[in-house]
Amino acid sequence: DIVLTQSPGTLSVSPGERATLSCRASQSVGSYYFAWYQQRPGQAPRLLIYGTSNRATGIPDRFSGSGSGTDFTLTISRLEPEDSAVYYCQQSGDSLWTFGQGTKVEIK
Amino acid sequence: QVQLQESGPGLVKPSETLSLTCTVSGGSISSYYYTWIREPPGKGLQWIGYAYYTGTTNYNPSLKGRVTISVDKSKNHFSLTLTSVTAADTAVYYCARDSAAAAPRVLGYWGRGTLVAVSS
Repeated sequence: DIVLTQSPGTLSVSPGERATLSCRASQSVGSYYFAWYQQRPGQAPRLLIYGTSNRATGIPDRFSGSGSGTDFTLTISRLEPEDSAVYYCQQSGDSLWTFGQGTKVEIK
Repeated sequence: QVQLQESGPGLVKPSETLSLTCTVSGGSISSYYYTWIREPPGKGLQWIGYAYYTGTTNYNPSLKGRVTISVDKSKNHFSLTLTSVTAADTAVYYCARDSAAAAPRVLGYWGRGTLVAVSS
């Protein structure tokens, strides 16, 4: 199984500042099958980034993804209040699809 | 616009079978991965498995053979069956599907989720 470990567990950031979220895989993940999701309180997850760095339809350009192999990053360049959420990384390159445990982003 | 909607009992007794259906609207069952994910209270997301539209399936081994996912093209829905449930199966269950606008095996469409509690 590919274990995805996200850090930090919680991130507290002021509006307008940058947030950097990390996801480390226990073994190499194909970039094509790596994604990030946002889950706001009480809502279903929403696709943000797919293929490591491609924004999904309707996602603002302040969200960006990067990385390769075992280390991946989601960056929110200018945090807005509606970005308060839990963010999950996910891989679907292995036969067992897995999610990270999530990073909670709080707005100061 | 494709929409997914879960339906099924909100309460299941221990040792019984959990059955959920996900109705697809705004599009027909075709070449996508029809997936179930769950979120236990206070925990993160767990992938349960998928059925590809051809009927090929792939499940999380941690569910130890208790899970079946099937696709019904005639009814435009797909289903989840989980047998011998325990309290550990209490969760919000989401159905999801990949999107032609993104990439295969990337979950671009999600249902709103349905809470299933296992309790006597």
